[in-house]
Order: sequence, then structure tokens, then C-alpha cells
Amino acid sequence: AQSVTQLGSHVSVSEGALVLLRCNYSSSVPPYLFWYVQYPNQGLQLLLKYTTGATLVKGINGFEAEFKKSETSFHLTKPSAHMSDAAEYFCAVINPNTGNQFYFGTGTSLTVIP
Amino acid sequence: GAGVSQSPRYKVAKRGQDVALRCDPISGHVSLFWYQQALGQGPEFLTYFQNEAQLDKSGLPSDRFFAERPEGSVSTLKIQRTQQEDSAVYLCASSTDIGNQPQHFGDGTRLSIL
Repeated sequence: AQSVTQLGSHVSVSEGALVLLRCNYSSSVPPYLFWYVQYPNQGLQLLLKYTTGATLVKGINGFEAEFKKSETSFHLTKPSAHMSDAAEYFCAVINPNTGNQFYFGTGTSLTVIP
Repeated sequence: GAGVSQSPRYKVAKRGQDVALRCDPISGHVSLFWYQQALGQGPEFLTYFQNEAQLDKSGLPSDRFFAERPEGSVSTLKIQRTQQEDSAVYLCASSTDIGNQPQHFGDGTRLSIL
């Protein structure tokens, strides 16, 4: 079974500061991992994904995430926050053997303070 | 359009009424998924189609929920005898295949049951 835990339902950072959104997963098999962003009244947009290979994954809008198997983590980072980064962020895991559904975390709401 | 299209964007219904939510996936996408997103929560899987075949409906919360995709493109999620707990955003996603392919999400239908 797969599950995702996102620590911190709300995160506030100052504009220009480091963004760190935490994601830990539980999976019975090596998972594929994803980060999605959701702006108000919109669907989810893919930021980045990890399947295999290099554990540091770069995505859109300057975001990146590192898969750490020993820590069962896939934390999302961005060196310098922009006002436009304010949104809801979801970590998700999928079983690559079945692959027919994502398991999402409960989300982290990011606020960027000017 | 180029993305996943859902209609209506907003639906208000009285408790006990039947509702139908429509999803137009990206052209050529084989896989189609429905998710339910309650307020302040991450999306939760409802059901999955590969072409016209409904391969997984394990997430449907009750037999009041029914989904179809008769021609392997447009899908309809129907909820019969709606209850207040059905109030949520219903997200549709499509992808070219299953597994690591990122699912492209629509903007959702916000359903409110009075």
C-alpha cells in the first residue's frame, strides 16, 4: 500500500527566502513520486516527478526535489520564493507496478510574504 | 482545447437530486481518472478507465456513484440521490498510459449539495 504524509499544512516564507515543503511516503515497492501545484479554483499542475535514475529532480518554476530512499522522503525546495509561488502543493506517490492511481498527501498551503 | 475540460465548473443541487459531471480528456489519451477532493484535503481516487473499460472502481464511495466512458473518450460521473457529504471538487485527469505518465488534470467541478 502507498501513502503520503506532508508535514505542515501551512508554510509561510518571505519573498526571496528558501522554500522547503516536506513529503514522506510509505510504499511496499519502490514508488514513483510527484509534486503538483494547485492554484485557487484550478486543477493540479505537474511540477516535477521522480521515476528512476538521478535522485535530484528539477522541475518547472525553479523547483526541485530530492528522492532519499533511506529517509523515505521527497522534499520540495526552491532557493528563492516569488509571490507567484503562493498556492497549494501536493505530493503524490504511485505504484509503478499497477500505476492506476495516485495517492496524494493532504497538501501544504504556501504563503509568500512580501 | 489542448487540456482536460470539465463541465460544469460549478454545480449546486438539493439533497436527493441526481447530478452528472462531464469530462473531456485530452485527445488520444487512453487513461481517464476521476478524483474527489474534499475541502482542505488532497484528491482521492474514485475510478479509472482504460479506453472504454472501467478497470478500477474501488474508490467509489457508494453505489450512488456511477461512472461511464462508453466510446473511450468523454466520461460522465453520475451521483444519484446526492447527500451533503458528496459536496466536493471532482477532478478528472487523463494520461497517455498508466504508470509514470503524469496525469493531466482538469480544473474540476465544484459540487455543492444543499
